[in-house]
Amino acid sequence: ETGVTQTPRHLVMGMTNKKSLKCEQHLGHNAMYWYKQSAKKPLELMFVYNFKEQTENNSVPSRFSPECPNSSHLFLHLHTLQPEDSALYLCASSQDYRGNEKLFFGSGTQLSVL
Amino acid sequence: QKEVEQNSGPLSVPEGAIASLNCTYSDRGSQSFFWYRQYSGKSPELIMFIYSNGDKEDGRFTAQLNKASQYVSLLIRDSQPSDSATYLCAVMDSSYKLIFGSGTRLLVRP
Repeated sequence: ETGVTQTPRHLVMGMTNKKSLKCEQHLGHNAMYWYKQSAKKPLELMFVYNFKEQTENNSVPSRFSPECPNSSHLFLHLHTLQPEDSALYLCASSQDYRGNEKLFFGSGTQLSVL
Repeated sequence: QKEVEQNSGPLSVPEGAIASLNCTYSDRGSQSFFWYRQYSGKSPELIMFIYSNGDKEDGRFTAQLNKASQYVSLLIRDSQPSDSATYLCAVMDSSYKLIFGSGTRLLVRP
């Protein structure tokens, strides 16, 4: 596989469920990101990991919990979400962080919270 | 609050015409500028980047940067229906944060 792969593509969950999003990059990049994309709004940065260390937490509620076991894998653990959390969640990677980073995005997870 | 502004559109152009997409930004110290294309139901894809004032051409795409006026634009020559997508402008500001605009939806009419 090449590029950035994300699973699942679609996820429907109730407010009491616990689920996880998975991302894997095969580009040899050092930085990985979680973004949230809601309709008609700009992409919102949630978390950044650089060399598997968290470097950014953009005031994200604790019901979103990231995990980065190594530079190639990134998870987003979800629990007790709210309906307003329904959105497209995008994983991305870049060669470096806080350089002239060019982002490579995964296909995204379309999340619906009922 | 540092911002990146784009007209949401849709911008409708006939096939073969030049599509001009514009973006303004508020942080005068911004350093790097990117254009991403996002097809409906797909993820964003980087198509152009520019760091210095002036024009940068890549095939049918030209990025233009004017730091004094704080705007960056994307020209698409000989527009094709396959260019119909939402184009996201992204700006790396003076604190090295990448800020995205809301995107401009482009429709190329056959």
